[in-house]
Amino acid sequence: DVKVTQSSRYLVKRTGEKVFLECVQDMDHENMFWYRQDPGLGLRLIYFSYDVKMKEKGDIPEGYSVSREKKERFSLILESASTNQTSMYLCASSLQVRDSPLHFGNGTRLTVT
Amino acid sequence: GQSLEQPSEVTAVEGAIVQINCTYQTSGFYGLSWYQQHDGGAPTFLSYNALDGLEETGRFSSFLSRSDSYGYLLLQELQMKDSASYFCAVNLSGGYNKLIFGAGTRLAVHP
Repeated sequence: DVKVTQSSRYLVKRTGEKVFLECVQDMDHENMFWYRQDPGLGLRLIYFSYDVKMKEKGDIPEGYSVSREKKERFSLILESASTNQTSMYLCASSLQVRDSPLHFGNGTRLTVT
Repeated sequence: GQSLEQPSEVTAVEGAIVQINCTYQTSGFYGLSWYQQHDGGAPTFLSYNALDGLEETGRFSSFLSRSDSYGYLLLQELQMKDSASYFCAVNLSGGYNKLIFGAGTRLAVHP
């Protein structure tokens, strides 16, 4: 069974802090993704990575950056957290095949105060 | 731009059949996926259609019409455990398995 693990389930940070969200997958998947989920807006793609050190912007990359130094780990970085980044963050991984299902972690609920 | 439209809420009774529609307008299309998410849980993959027609997986079926930019998820013999949110997602063409999700449909199943 594919396991995607997000390091924190809940996180509370202050405005202006630098925030790191970590995600690890154990199935040797090439692709990894970061989505944020907000009520009424569904899942919106922030960034994705198709290989180590490779990344592509999603639909809402502003205010975020990512790092993928190892194949199994994909980090989302909020350089200077703001209250509008309060959300549920979901990490996912998949094979690099266009119809390969995404496997999601349980999410990190981030609150920025 | 990219947009997917699906109803925000659907209510049904146990044992019934429910259909959740999804219309999409995207730049590039490779296939349509459906995901289920229970409250507090992770989204999980349900089905995928790349070609027109119906795909059946147990009590769940998914349909796609590429010419109409339309698909639906059909849930039969509803059970209480089917109460969840259901998301349609477009697999965009261009490689890398990039998915764009709809806002989700919250299904409530009542006894």
